[in-house]
Amino acid sequence: AQSVAQPEDQVNVAEGNPLTVKCTYSVSGNPYLFWYVQYPNRGLQFLLKYITGDNLVKGSYGFEAEFNKSQTSFHLKKPSALVSDSALYFCAVKGGSYIPTFGRGTSLIVHP
Amino acid sequence: DAGVIQSPRHEVTEMGQEVTLRCKPISGHNSLFWYRQTMMRGLELLIYFNNNVPIDDSGMPEDRFSAKMPNASFSTLKIQPSEPRDSAVYFCASSFVGGSYEQYFGPGTRLTVT
Repeated sequence: AQSVAQPEDQVNVAEGNPLTVKCTYSVSGNPYLFWYVQYPNRGLQFLLKYITGDNLVKGSYGFEAEFNKSQTSFHLKKPSALVSDSALYFCAVKGGSYIPTFGRGTSLIVHP
Repeated sequence: DAGVIQSPRHEVTEMGQEVTLRCKPISGHNSLFWYRQTMMRGLELLIYFNNNVPIDDSGMPEDRFSAKMPNASFSTLKIQPSEPRDSAVYFCASSFVGGSYEQYFGPGTRLTVT
């Protein structure tokens, strides 16, 4: 079985400050890890993924994520938040199954 | 590519009526997923197709829901009869399984059953 946890329903950060959205996972074998963003009234949009290789993955809009195998985590980060980053963020994991499992989502609010 | 296309974008219907949602996946993708999103239950996987064949439909709520994929470029999700608790946003997503696996989502269909 595979699972993913996003422990924070909401993250608040001031514009210009660094942001972190947390994700931990459980999977058999090597994980495929993904982050998606959902803006209001839109579908989920792929941000970045980790499959193998460098533990620090860079994605769209200046976001990056760090894969930590020992902590089974894949936290999303950005050095300087923008108000336009405010959205719902989903972490997803895929193990041996073809079907990824999504977390419940974290609402990111960036204050001006 | 235009991305995943869904229609209609909005659907309002009365309880008991049949509802058909449509999806055109990205060309070249071999897998298609139907999801439902609500505030209460979050994002739920309803059914997964691989090479047009339903592989996992364990998320389909009940017999009122059915999905088909007659060819690689088209899928439908049908609800018959519809009920108010079916009100949600329904997403279709496609991916290339065997490749990089990330999913590309359509804009969704917002269904309201009165």
